[in-house]
Amino acid sequence: SQQGEEDPQALSIQEGENATMNCSYKTSINNLQWYRQNSGRGLVHLILIRSNEREKHSGRLRVTLDTSKKSSSLLITASRAVDTASYFCATDRNRDDKIIFGKGTRLHILP
Amino acid sequence: GAGVSQSPSNKVTEKGKDVELRCDPISGHTALYWYRQSLGQGLEFLIYFQGNSAPDKSGLPSDRFSAERTGGSVSTLTIQRTQQEDSAVYLCASSPTRQGSPLHFGNGTRLTVT
Repeated sequence: SQQGEEDPQALSIQEGENATMNCSYKTSINNLQWYRQNSGRGLVHLILIRSNEREKHSGRLRVTLDTSKKSSSLLITASRAVDTASYFCATDRNRDDKIIFGKGTRLHILP
Repeated sequence: GAGVSQSPSNKVTEKGKDVELRCDPISGHTALYWYRQSLGQGLEFLIYFQGNSAPDKSGLPSDRFSAERTGGSVSTLTIQRTQQEDSAVYLCASSPTRQGSPLHFGNGTRLTVT
């Protein structure tokens, strides 16, 4: 069963704009991660935020975590064509350490 | 260094046949995961190996699915008597520790059951 749910399911924005994707989850977690997937194959890790952290930055990426609301957001600033991909959140559940993925957001950057 | 390697990259099989999918994790990684991804969908958890502990098989969809990990390294996912609904991309990932480490994914095996 899915632990996380991303929204929106799909997002199209103009190049240069910011893209925001959200993730909600159900059970207590050790950490939350965001991954990118191109062309339906292997996923690439983007950023990990621990349950005691509230915000984390990496380059053009900004991730927030609100454990009271069981939600996270991924912000990509100044989007580029190469950012076109599917983005998934994954939660490391503290009851069993199993890493469970959401259904993903398909992001399309328009030229 | 070498990443996670999966083979074959593509597999077409007839309904009712058995298939074996292989995953070579990054050397030294103790955790290994199998996921399944149907077209345009999210990743469905199948099974999780951690070191010498008993694997977490809670995601396997039926008893036609099994997996093993030999010597704490290579893993094989076996699907017996394949069905058309088994068609998907099967992804393997490994990580170096029990928690708090990102997963390293292979490029997957695309299974098509005709």
